Amino acid sequence: KQEVTQIPAALSVPEGENLVLNCSFTDSAIYNLQWFRQDPGKGLTSLLLIQSSQREQTSGRLNASLDKSSGRSTLYIAASQPGDSATYLCAVEASSNTGKLIFGQGTTLQVKP
Amino acid sequence: SAVISQKPSRDICQRGTSLTIQCQVDSQVTMMFWYRQQPGQSLTLIATANQGSEATYESGFVIDKFPISRPNLTFSTLTVSNMSPEDSSIYLCSVSLRFTDTQYFGPGTRLTVL
Repeated sequence: KQEVTQIPAALSVPEGENLVLNCSFTDSAIYNLQWFRQDPGKGLTSLLLIQSSQREQTSGRLNASLDKSSGRSTLYIAASQPGDSATYLCAVEASSNTGKLIFGQGTTLQVKP
Repeated sequence: SAVISQKPSRDICQRGTSLTIQCQVDSQVTMMFWYRQQPGQSLTLIATANQGSEATYESGFVIDKFPISRPNLTFSTLTVSNMSPEDSSIYLCSVSLRFTDTQYFGPGTRLTVL
């Protein structure tokens, strides 16, 4: 059974700092991995999607990497801003391309001005 | 991308009653899903909503408790039946679009059962 773990559970950093969020999964047979952002009282916003054949994806200040063999992904946020404060979730889709996502518990990030 | 709306956005219900949540998408999607997010927890998949046929439920979720309809490509409902306080959660629908694996989520319905 696939399990997804995110470390740390919470993180507080000063504005401008670069940071890394970690995600690990137990079954390396995945179809893709997605990183989402969740703001309080709101739904999820997709940040980056990495296909199983890819190593990384970049969008603006965000860079996500995938090491499928070791069951790990990282989300790198450069030059953090207070507006980056949110909960970040990673989710994997099984290799069967069912669209079903298995989520980690999330990392709650606070960026202090 | 897709714009997804859910109704209601929140509700407070009495034990033993039922609530139907609607999910409407502005584009034709390939797959629709319903997730539950219990307080302080991450998201758990309830079921895949299939157009014109019975939904496919995940382990631990049953049709009698969470009946789902999807009459067309852009609309689905989830009913939470015979509610108890343990059903207090955020319920979210999500969709995937043709030619992309990215999933889009609705804003969620925050349900409180007293």
